Amino acid sequence: DARVTQTPRHKVTEMGQEVTMRCQPILGHNTVFWYRQTMMQGLELLAYFRNRAPLDDSGMPKDRFSAEMPDATLATLKIQPSEPRDSAVYFCASGIGVQGNTIYFGEGSWLTVV
Amino acid sequence: QKEVEQDPGPLSVPEGAIVSLNCTYSNSAFQYFMWYRQYSRKGPELLMYTYSSGNKEDGRFTAQVDKSSKYISLFIRDSQPSDSATYLCAMMLIQGAQKLVFGQGTRLTINP
Repeated sequence: DARVTQTPRHKVTEMGQEVTMRCQPILGHNTVFWYRQTMMQGLELLAYFRNRAPLDDSGMPKDRFSAEMPDATLATLKIQPSEPRDSAVYFCASGIGVQGNTIYFGEGSWLTVV
Repeated sequence: QKEVEQDPGPLSVPEGAIVSLNCTYSNSAFQYFMWYRQYSRKGPELLMYTYSSGNKEDGRFTAQVDKSSKYISLFIRDSQPSDSATYLCAMMLIQGAQKLVFGQGTRLTINP
């Protein structure tokens, strides 16, 4: 059963610490999305990649967030330094090209910054 | 103004009722239209998708897209308590930015 795998599932950290979230897309998928979900804002697109190249990261606070794909099986989202307002659920999704019917989400990384 | 607008609800209906969920959008270039279902503390799961305009039916679910009005709908027939979840509409460009944009999500409760 192919699925998007995210780690860690839960993270509590202190303000100012670095947080790294990891995503393993479904094998064969060449598009990867990072979203942040909060009660107030819903699902916000932070960044997305195609064939490991960043296509759009305009939704990401550039001063503290960074996203990379070191290889086709790993996408990372890093926050440095973390702030309480970063507390949210971070989702990774993967798909094939622009085919909307192939986009599947992971279970999310639940981040709390205290 | 958000690109995709969706009433967050909450919406509560009795079991067996027909449920209608809707979204409006502003960008006429959207081509893919999806509905995702999200259970509490889980990731969104793809429920229905439509390319361009028209209707699509899958069991108790029907998705409709009206591009002239920039309006999409999801209908759930014979609703069940297991349908209780948050429903998110999503839209995707296939040209240019090719990003996937979500509505706020509507929280739905089906009461037995």
